[in-house]
Amino acid sequence: AQSVTQPDIHITVSEGASLELRCNYSYGATPYLFWYVQSPGQGLQLLLKYFSGDTLVQGIKGFEAEFKRSQSSFNLRKPSVHWSDAAEYFCAVGPRAGNNRKLIWGLGTSLAVNP
Amino acid sequence: DTAVSQTPKYLVTQMGNDKSIKCEQNLGHDTMYWYKQDSKKFLKIMFSYNNKELIINETVPNRFSPKSPDKAHLNLHINSLELGDSAVYFCASSKDRAGTEAFFGQGTRLTVV
Repeated sequence: AQSVTQPDIHITVSEGASLELRCNYSYGATPYLFWYVQSPGQGLQLLLKYFSGDTLVQGIKGFEAEFKRSQSSFNLRKPSVHWSDAAEYFCAVGPRAGNNRKLIWGLGTSLAVNP
Repeated sequence: DTAVSQTPKYLVTQMGNDKSIKCEQNLGHDTMYWYKQDSKKFLKIMFSYNNKELIINETVPNRFSPKSPDKAHLNLHINSLELGDSAVYFCASSKDRAGTEAFFGQGTRLTVV
């Protein structure tokens, strides 16, 4: 069955510390991979995506993610967290082919940032 | 200028009522979506339209009916509201039906009492 697992429901880091949010997926073939962020009371915003090529992708707000095919993972990282990064983070995967593509979503990781 | 806008932002209503949520996008996208986010933050796609054509119709009660008068608008009408319909409903759009990047509205928090 196709699924996305975000093992950490909630993470707390101190401002300025590094961050890694984990995402593992189960899918028939290598999918497209996405990270979205949801700030409190807001909709979701795309942070970054992986389609092909360099397995280390850069996104907005200083985030990056690394695709590891052997581990079926797409972990999100940031070297130094800012208080404004406190939000819910969602990993999602989607098919590379087909006309009506639906994303499969993880359950999210809630990030709290201590001053 | 908001890219994907939904109205209302909050909706509190009694069980059994009928309500609508409106969505508009000014990005020129062809495809629009309705998602439901439950209290555990789980995101579930409900419907998708491409150029006014329904292309994704997930297992959703018949009480939910989407309508797309044109490709910039996608509305969601809900009949006979139930307590379990309480959730945040997100509208989103993408350039095409491949859906490789979705832009989301701010959400409508529906509370059924």
